[in-house]
Amino acid sequence: EAQVTQNPRYLITVTGKKLTVTCSQNMNHEYMSWYRQDPGLGLRQIYYSMNVEVTDKGDVPEGYKVSRKEKRNFPLILESPSPNQTSLYFCASLPRQGPGDTQYFGPGTRLTVL
Amino acid sequence: TQLLEQSPQFLSIQEGENLTVYCNSSSVFSSLQWYRQEPGEGPVLLVTVVTGGEVKKLKRLTFQFGDARKDSSLHITAAQPGDTGLYLCAGVEEGGSYIPTFGRGTSLIVHP
Repeated sequence: EAQVTQNPRYLITVTGKKLTVTCSQNMNHEYMSWYRQDPGLGLRQIYYSMNVEVTDKGDVPEGYKVSRKEKRNFPLILESPSPNQTSLYFCASLPRQGPGDTQYFGPGTRLTVL
Repeated sequence: TQLLEQSPQFLSIQEGENLTVYCNSSSVFSSLQWYRQEPGEGPVLLVTVVTGGEVKKLKRLTFQFGDARKDSSLHITAAQPGDTGLYLCAGVEEGGSYIPTFGRGTSLIVHP
């Protein structure tokens, strides 16, 4: 089954404790991205990757890191989480075929930073 | 500055009513997509429009892409409680990064 998986689905942590949210897709998609979703602000892009070893900042990259060592994985790293990073995070992937390709989303990771 | 402005932000209507959600921008898009998101889940694609003036229908949902490819609308006829959810538009800006940028969404509640 074609899918994007994220882990963990839920995480409660404390300020400053490094964490990683994993994202994996099994569709051989070139493009992957991370979004955060907050009430009234919609989906805001954090980072995106157009291929292995190619990453770029989105609209809200501060406080986040990513890596793309393999095509299928695109982890999101919070080196020193802060309460303002409490949010719902989505990973997504899409193929590089043409305008309007379907972007597939993971199930989301709800992060709470105390 | 939000690239895509969605309106209204919230909509609460009775079953059977019609509604229209708008997605506007000053930028030109090579494609524009509409997604629906249910609580606790990721957005799911409803439709993609790529041609100026294009109209697509999905049962009671009608999607239109503006002639200049700067705006889009979603019209729901005879809304049902099952239509309740968050509707998001997302556009790929012409000459941009190819990954869609999202509007803030329209939260729709349809009461029985």
